[in-house]
Amino acid sequence: DTGVSQDPRHKITKRGQNVTFRCDPISEHNRLYWYRQTLGQGPEFLTYFQNEAQLEKSRLLSDRFSAERPKGSFSTLEIQRTEQGDSAMYLCASSSLWTAEADTQYFGPGTRLTVL
Amino acid sequence: AQKVTQAQTEISVVEKEDVTLDCVYETRDTTYYLFWYKQPPSGELVFLIRRNSFDEQNEISGRYSWNFQKSTSSFNFTITASQVVDSAVYFCALRRYNDYKLSFGAGTTVTVRA
Repeated sequence: DTGVSQDPRHKITKRGQNVTFRCDPISEHNRLYWYRQTLGQGPEFLTYFQNEAQLEKSRLLSDRFSAERPKGSFSTLEIQRTEQGDSAMYLCASSSLWTAEADTQYFGPGTRLTVL
Repeated sequence: AQKVTQAQTEISVVEKEDVTLDCVYETRDTTYYLFWYKQPPSGELVFLIRRNSFDEQNEISGRYSWNFQKSTSSFNFTITASQVVDSAVYFCALRRYNDYKLSFGAGTTVTVRA
């Protein structure tokens, strides 16, 4: 079974630029999550998809952030007009309600964003 | 609101010593799920165990064991005979029964020295 994959693994950008990250979940997982992790902290929830529907967005997700999952498979997270405070690890996870480990979230390797 | 507290920031041990990681949680729910994840230097969060609130049976899996005590809201994790490969940040997490998101603690960094 292929795990969750994320691309790119690292991104360095200048303040004000737009960036887009991609997440490919475990195949047949219908739920997909984005989290953000800053240095020395645990991951914090950003948003959640069930199939292609975005069902919840955290207050952490400002208007500059947008996430999509157009066909219920891969997802993208875009940050517009990046700020230095956006520097963090962005983690994607997926889960399936229909497995024995009902709805356990499996994480990808993350995308580390550095905003200069 | 849910809250997970991992009071130990860092633990350093010599190989073959046992390591116990503390996790205390707060929730008003009667049904919930608890998790432990491991994050090695590569950055990927690796799922270790999931425990349902109605299942207080403790578990041993190889060198790992878990002690879930609902009465004290604790879900502690022990590594027996630690190895250098166990060096990582370990996170405890909580999820409500009817919710999707995980609430993580701040993590405990475990360093195992040869």
